Amino acid sequence: KAGVTQTPRYLIKTRGQQVTLSCSPISGHRSVSWYQQTPGQGLQFLFEYFSETQRNKGNFPGRFSGRQFSNSRSEMNVSTLELGDSALYLCASSLALAGRGEQFFGPGTRLTVL
Amino acid sequence: AQSVTQLGSHVSVSEGALVLLRCNYSSSVPPYLFWYVQYPNQGLQLLLKYTSAATLVKGINGFEAEFKKSETSFHLTKPSAHMSDAAEYFCAVSGRDSSYKLIFGSGTRLLVRP
Repeated sequence: KAGVTQTPRYLIKTRGQQVTLSCSPISGHRSVSWYQQTPGQGLQFLFEYFSETQRNKGNFPGRFSGRQFSNSRSEMNVSTLELGDSALYLCASSLALAGRGEQFFGPGTRLTVL
Repeated sequence: AQSVTQLGSHVSVSEGALVLLRCNYSSSVPPYLFWYVQYPNQGLQLLLKYTSAATLVKGINGFEAEFKKSETSFHLTKPSAHMSDAAEYFCAVSGRDSSYKLIFGSGTRLLVRP
């Protein structure tokens, strides 16, 4: 069974631009969660989608948004990029809500904002 | 609201020594608890989880953790460290309300000395 895939793997943007990251979950998984990982802040939860509905949200500004499609694929968008948005963005999928069982993580998208 | 604290951002042990990574949680009711591991340049992988069955949980790669309600702890142990155990370890907690929001700790980096 294919794992969680994230595209692109690496991305370089400049301040003020916007970016869209994509995540394809494991087949049959209905939950997709997004995390931001930085050396200073560690692993920060962004949001979780389950069957196209946002079920949980972290403490990030409105510049960070996401959505989930009917095939469970998910995208997250960051508008008006700031230098501090440089991070590894991880996507994870699970059969049920993230806190009920095992999450499977993708390799991440490394975003660099110049 | 749930929260989780990992004591020690870095732990260093010698190969063959006991590994002990500490995790304490805060929750009004017994939560679900998880340990995830992240190897360099990879996403996270589930080591083990506690969901209210046996209090001693065995995971992959020889790791185990014990749920102690009286101490609100879920420490991760391994009797004998191997060089391949060098990684970052994350404890996570989720509540049993309808959201099952998963909260990660700040992580502990395990260094294994030869």
